[in-house]
Amino acid sequence: EIVLTQSPGTLSLSPGERATLSCRASQSVTSDLLAWYRQKPGQAPRLLIYGASNRATGIPDRFSGSGSGTDFTLTISRLEPEDFAVYYCQQYGRSPWTFGQGTKVEI
Amino acid sequence: QMQLQESGPGLVKPSETLSLTCTVSGGSINNLHWSWIRQAAGKGLEWIGRIFTTGSTIYSPSLQSRVSMSVDTSRNQFSLKLTSVTAADTAVYFCAGSLGYFDYWGQGRLVTVSS
Repeated sequence: EIVLTQSPGTLSLSPGERATLSCRASQSVTSDLLAWYRQKPGQAPRLLIYGASNRATGIPDRFSGSGSGTDFTLTISRLEPEDFAVYYCQQYGRSPWTFGQGTKVEI
Repeated sequence: QMQLQESGPGLVKPSETLSLTCTVSGGSINNLHWSWIRQAAGKGLEWIGRIFTTGSTIYSPSLQSRVSMSVDTSRNQFSLKLTSVTAADTAVYFCAGSLGYFDYWGQGRLVTVSS
């Protein structure tokens, strides 16, 4: 199975700052079929990005995804208060679908 | 907007079978494929498996020997069964609708395995 490793484990930033989150795959992700989610405490994850770089419906343009092959990045250009949460990457190019272990963005 | 709701017992005894159902509303169950995902307290997300409306399934290799899923298109529902549970199966179980990426999520159902 494809193992996704996210870094850093925790990112300490302030509102208005830029966040850069990394997701590295143990083997190439088929057709760059990689998604990003944000999860707030006590809630289900919410889809942010699919296909490595496509924003999901209703997601503001401060979120952007990039990368291909084995290295992917989620960038949040200016952190809003609701962005302090945990972020997961997920690959759906090859079964079993797998998630990274998460990056916590904290104040 | 499509909505998903998990239902089922919140407490299951060790060695017994965990059973959950997800009801889909606000859209047709035929347009997506359907997954179960779980999350132990303070941990990450674990994909359990998915089912297509044809009934075809794919399960995570780590749970394959204990998992089964089914779908009832007439009721817009799909279900999960996990046999021989242990405390390690205690988690919040989410149902989700997907085209590979998970666009729709239920709110999650906490299932505790304890005697």
